Order: sequence, then C-alpha cells, then structure tokens
Amino acid sequence: DIQMTQSPSTLSASVGDRVTITCRASQSISSWLAWYQQKPGKAPKLLIYKASSLESGVPSRFSGSGSGTEFTLTISSLQPDDFATYYCQHYNSWTFGQGTKVEIK
Amino acid sequence: QVQLVESGGGVVQPGRSLRLSCVASGFIFSTYAMHWVRQTPGKGLEWVAVISYDGTNKYYADSVKGRFTISRDNSENTLYLQMNSLRAEDTAVYYCPRSLGGNYFDAFAIWGQGTMVTVSS
Repeated sequence: DIQMTQSPSTLSASVGDRVTITCRASQSISSWLAWYQQKPGKAPKLLIYKASSLESGVPSRFSGSGSGTEFTLTISSLQPDDFATYYCQHYNSWTFGQGTKVEIK
Repeated sequence: QVQLVESGGGVVQPGRSLRLSCVASGFIFSTYAMHWVRQTPGKGLEWVAVISYDGTNKYYADSVKGRFTISRDNSENTLYLQMNSLRAEDTAVYYCPRSLGGNYFDAFAIWGQGTMVTVSS
C-alpha cells in the first residue's frame, strides 16, 4: 500500500509569510496528487489536482509542484483566510496524508 | 448550484446497522463516480468506498470491507452507504465527495457538509 507522509504536522506562520508544505509518497505516484484545505467544522475543499493544476476559483497564491515521490504546496503570501489544515491525497489509491495545520504565529 | 447533502447519521449501538444517504443536485449525477470518506473527530481523513458512475464497480477500504456496502440510485440522484456490524472505531463524520471528472481515479472536487455517526453503547 502507498503511504503519504506530510511535513510538518504543524506550522506557525504570520500573515504575508511564504509557506511550504511537503508531501512524500512511499513509492512513485507520478503526478496523481491533490491538495485540500479544511477549516474547523467544514468539509475539505479541493485546491490543487494533478500535482500542480489549480482548481477553478482557488486564489493564485496557492501553487503545487512535484512528481514521483515528493510534492509541495506553496502559499506565496499567507492570508488570514488561509489558516486551516491542509491534506495531500494520492487519488489513484485514494490515500490521504495525515494533515498539516497552519496556525497563527 | 452543485450540491451534495448527506443524511442518516446518528447514535447507534455496536453491532447494529445504519444507512447513510447522499442526495446530489446541480450536476448530472449518473456521469460521476462517487465516494464515501470519513473523518474521526479531531483526526485525519480516511477514504471508505467508491462506486463507478453506473454502479458496476465498487471498491472498499480494508477497514470496512465485508461490513459496508456502497450503492447508488441514479434515477433518484442518491448515493448510499449501508453500514453493518458497526464498531466504536467507525465513529466519524461521513462525507460523500464527487470525483472531479467521471473517473473514480480522480480528485474529490465537490463535498457535502457531512453526517455524524456515533457508535456507542
């Protein structure tokens, strides 16, 4: 089974910071990776699919990169609305990472 | 607009059954694969099951295989999850996300608000 591991588990940052979250797959998954944002009490929201494709309506400060086993989600300038938990997912096996909580520093 | 509404959650004793429903609107339900995903309170996301657009193909997580059954009624735009032999570890919020495209190997583009299932004596 493919395992997805995110780092860090928690990230403290300030508004305006550039933030990077990493997701590693236990074996190559090509570019079959998605990123989701989840706020407390809400359903996840798709941000990025196919590793780097921005979902419609998602702000351009979000970007994704990588292929194979290592992927990153970058928020170029953190906004107050971005404090949330982020999950990566290998959607060919439907496996999620454990999540990264972005909190206020 | 595109919408998914889950229902059927509640408190149930261990070993009992429960059926969840997910009603879709705003898109052609019969052309999309559909999933069930759950989230234990305060924890991460766990994929549970998927069904192809026409209901012919179904896959399950090992943790629910043999106990849960996913099905759909395309004439009613409704997805179901029949949960039998429930355990305490099945306690979670259950979501029914829709795939981005029709394929079940695709990102989860649309999510409902979720329905809470609590398994407790």
